[in-house]
Amino acid sequence: GQNIDQPTEMTATEGAIVQINCTYQTSGFNGLFWYQQHAGEAPTFLSYNVLDGLEEKGRFSSFLSRSKGYSYLLLKELQMKDSASYLCAVPLRSNDYKLSFGAGTTVTVRA
Amino acid sequence: EAQVTQNPRYLITVTGKKLTVTCSQNMNHEYMSWYRQDPGLGLRQIYYSMNVEVTDKGDVPEGYKVSRKEKRNFPLILESPSPNQTSLYFCASSLSGTSGETQYFGPGTRLLVL
Repeated sequence: GQNIDQPTEMTATEGAIVQINCTYQTSGFNGLFWYQQHAGEAPTFLSYNVLDGLEEKGRFSSFLSRSKGYSYLLLKELQMKDSASYLCAVPLRSNDYKLSFGAGTTVTVRA
Repeated sequence: EAQVTQNPRYLITVTGKKLTVTCSQNMNHEYMSWYRQDPGLGLRQIYYSMNVEVTDKGDVPEGYKVSRKEKRNFPLILESPSPNQTSLYFCASSLSGTSGETQYFGPGTRLLVL
């Protein structure tokens, strides 16, 4: 989506840490989603942030700064199965039924 | 098992030949949505539905129609497909569509229009 920016690609080594950044512009904020999508498959939910700060879920953490319009997804102890596209998504307006997605960041994990 | 199903999963057709992609969910969700996904553009919303007989346009509705006659089904209709509608299509649903709800996606339908 034109209001959401993510890097196109990232490469990292198995066992390492990768941080995927997402910047967004909205006229009202109601949370930010991260989805994971393996090639040729459906997106699956990873996290939802509505308040500032870091939320940790196992090897994956998501951070949000509403004042900066910025989020990141942190993947720790990378495994080969983490090779996928990671999508950032926000509703562009408050109470909007419509989600706008970033173009996605393709993460490649190398042995 | 709670799921969103789509049919067909793969389809090759020719320009102008009407087609329908079906979507069904068994979670009693009110909100359903169609997206298309193209390289470098991410997921773009085509149409969405907040409940039976309530539908609205997303970001890229041109060339598509939808209907919501039953809660569980939300078919996507291409009356006269064109090559620029070649894409990967996803149906999704959530409980009521309000912000903060997770959307559950179907497995995708890969469409090629010749």
